[in-house]
Amino acid sequence: QQQVKQSPQSLIVQKGGISIINCAYENTAFDYFPWYQQFPGKGPALLIAIRPDVSEKKEGRFTISFNKSAKQFSLHIMDSQPGDSATYFCAAHPGGNQFYFGTGTSLTVIP
Amino acid sequence: SQTIHQWPATLVQPVGSPLSLECTVEGTSNPNLYWYRQAAGRGLQLLFYSVGIGQISSEVPQNLSASRPQDRQFILSSKKLLLSDSGFYLCACLRAQGEKLFFGSGTQLSVL
Repeated sequence: QQQVKQSPQSLIVQKGGISIINCAYENTAFDYFPWYQQFPGKGPALLIAIRPDVSEKKEGRFTISFNKSAKQFSLHIMDSQPGDSATYFCAAHPGGNQFYFGTGTSLTVIP
Repeated sequence: SQTIHQWPATLVQPVGSPLSLECTVEGTSNPNLYWYRQAAGRGLQLLFYSVGIGQISSEVPQNLSASRPQDRQFILSSKKLLLSDSGFYLCACLRAQGEKLFFGSGTQLSVL
């Protein structure tokens, strides 16, 4: 059973547009929600993360919106650039050893 | 901050040959260590994780095994590779009492 559901599978955005990737979870024990960015042939890199006690976290052009009641969180990439083209993974961590990853979203930003 | 060393970056092996991938971590002690596999264009599949020396948890029964001979060393092995073992193998590290999971640069394994 997929603990974290991620959509869309792929996304094409024009340069300068907003990219939005959504994730949903069921387990209320999750208390840390990171997003990872992965370029081809590289390991995933931690991009930004949020805890459920805040509704939004912003770092530069990247923003996480968190809706605790709906058990949903999303990554917004403002002013998307071709260099943002990568695969993005959301994840959830209940503490301890386990991380649960979404299935990934392949983002392509076209000039 | 910790650094994760993974090698080799790419590996081409014939079916039936053995495998040994090594991951070492610097800058932290007593970390949790993980092996993930990623098929082309797919998500992250957890293979093994370890909370300490000699302690290995297997998430997926398969042709692979893992060992942790030292605190900051994690090894992924196989006695006889299968075609289905091809993929991108990633080592990851979670600091003790931490919440941030960091990944190594990965090994692209092609079994032919």
